[in-house]
Amino acid sequence: ETGVTQSPTHLIKTRGQQVTLRCSSQSGHNTVSWYQQALGQGPQFIFQYYREEENGRGNFPPRFSGLQFPNYSSELNVNALELDDSALYLCASSLVGLASHEQFFGPGTRLTVL
Amino acid sequence: EDKVVQSPLSLVVHEGDTVTLNCSYEVTNFRSLLWYKQEKKAPTFLFMLTSSGIEKKSGRLSSILDKKELFSILNITATQTGDSAIYLCAAIPNSGSRLTFGEGTQLTVNP
Repeated sequence: ETGVTQSPTHLIKTRGQQVTLRCSSQSGHNTVSWYQQALGQGPQFIFQYYREEENGRGNFPPRFSGLQFPNYSSELNVNALELDDSALYLCASSLVGLASHEQFFGPGTRLTVL
Repeated sequence: EDKVVQSPLSLVVHEGDTVTLNCSYEVTNFRSLLWYKQEKKAPTFLFMLTSSGIEKKSGRLSSILDKKELFSILNITATQTGDSAIYLCAAIPNSGSRLTFGEGTQLTVNP
């Protein structure tokens, strides 16, 4: 197991609601990336946070937003939930300067939108 | 747009068989290709390949990268039921650490 934790483990919401997912990075890591993995698909990059600022974003609408805190933990917020937002949300922590494979994934949050 | 394609999407074999999983990529400013194993939720790192033609090996798993033809393969010999998982490949560019994943190959190893 990596030192990356995510909460909650599972979540059920209805269309139009808002959700906040949380990620605690591995000790010493200063970068957090968020991915969305729909059923039967590979993870898709949402965005990355470094030093509390967004540092790259994938093809996701503005209703997907995030934060990184001084302790490097991070939140993913999704507004106006849609059925297609149902997926496993993964965060990965890393340390800028390390080799690119040094990204450690958390166990994910399974979001179901009804 | 960066793209990674894996094949086959699913594979069912018997214990002891050897399998080859394929990954092709089209990535601007490509730096490395990574393989992950995903059993339940969190993908776990297997290999990182940066140089063409150099095989990486770990036990019964091995992988190689061809940067001319833009593909990689992951071989698993003498498969075991514990190898059942989704195998993901991901490409990473020179700039940043954003991973572009393929769809994954669902491997099922039957006893």
